[in-house]
Parts: sequence; structure tokens; C-alpha cells
Amino acid sequence: GENVEQHPSTLSVQEGDSAVIKCTYSDSASNYFPWYKQELGKGPQLIIDIRSNVGEKKDQRIAVTLNKTAKHFSLHITETQPEDSAVYFCAASLGAGGTSYGKLTFGQGTILTVHP
Amino acid sequence: EAEVAQSPRYKITEKSQAVAFWCDPISGHATLYWYRQILGQGPELLVQFQDESVVDDSQLPKDRFSAERLKGVDSTLKIQPAELGDSAMYLCASSFSGAYNEQFFGPGTRLTVL
Repeated sequence: GENVEQHPSTLSVQEGDSAVIKCTYSDSASNYFPWYKQELGKGPQLIIDIRSNVGEKKDQRIAVTLNKTAKHFSLHITETQPEDSAVYFCAASLGAGGTSYGKLTFGQGTILTVHP
Repeated sequence: EAEVAQSPRYKITEKSQAVAFWCDPISGHATLYWYRQILGQGPELLVQFQDESVVDDSQLPKDRFSAERLKGVDSTLKIQPAELGDSAMYLCASSFSGAYNEQFFGPGTRLTVL
């Protein structure tokens, strides 16, 4: 089955700096890659996603890049703010087709701390 | 804004007891997922429903866990008997359809087994 590795496990930055979190996946058939933010005591919330037919996607201060050849994707947060502090998870999915029905395989998570 | 509802939010039980968790997905979402999240790790899928049918329960410990979604709307996850290793956050998520659609997560149920 799919395996997703996420690095780093913890990341500490100063407010205004950029933060980058990287993930690799094992199944070359995976074609949907969402990123979730999880705050303490809450369920994960989708912040951005990318499909395999796109190399990069941006949404204000957040961007995701995908390298299908290398089977890795990254989350970039620019101009970080204290409220960005949370646990971030990457995930991979086979999307439609077969028996996957959109099952997500998650990475281990990155604890991001933004210091004022 | 529509949300996935879960109850209870917290549950403390003793090992060998039975526990049940309830989830009400966003209206109109055909696909419902139950995930288990151990502290410090990412969520892992336990079971996935498409309407009332189970489409993936390969990671569900079927000797003690059961899940149902009788009318294709809300769902119940049961553990009997609970073991110490079952202590975790149990998350429910739903999506409009299984593929390429955002999975909306509920707040989860934090289970502690003593």
C-alpha cells in the first residue's frame, strides 16, 4: 500500500519567515495530495490540495509543489504568523478509480511553531 | 457553515468495556470515513462507507471493532471489548464523493482506556 514520509517532525520559525514542509510518497499511481492543518483539540482542516496534473498551486501565503518523477511534494508558507502555529499533515490518495474511493494515507505530521 | 458532528467529545472507559462513537456527516455527503489518530501520528483509516455500504475496512480490527451506517446518513463505530492500546482520537470525515473531493473532518472523540 501507499506510504507517506513527512519531514521535518518539528519546525520553529520567526514571524515573517517562510516555512517549508516536505513529503515523499511510494505509490506512483497516487494522484491527489492534500495538506491539512490541525489545531489542538480539533479535527484536521484542509488548507490546500493539488492533483497530479498540476505542478504548483498557490493560495495567498500558501503554496504546494509536486514533483511526480521524484514522488515528492512540499508545502510552502510565506510571511508566517503566530496563528499559523499548528500540526500540519500531508496526505496522498489514489483518487478515483479502482477500489481506493479516495482513501487518504497521511504523513506523520509536522509541528510548526511561529515565534512572534 | 455545515460541519461534521461527533459525540461524545471525550470518553474514558475501563478495558474490557464496550464503547460507541457517533458521527453525523455533512448533509448530502455520500462518503463517510472513520480514522484513528494515535497521539503524535497522522490519522489512519479504519473504515470507509459509500452510502450505506462498506468499501474499505481492511484496517479495521474486526474481532473487536464494528461500524455501521444503516440509512446511509449517520454512523456508529463500536469497540467491544476496549483494550489499553485503543486509546486514541477517533475522527470521522465525510466527502461529497470518494475521489478528489475535500474530506471534512469532525472534532473527534478522544478515547482513554484505563
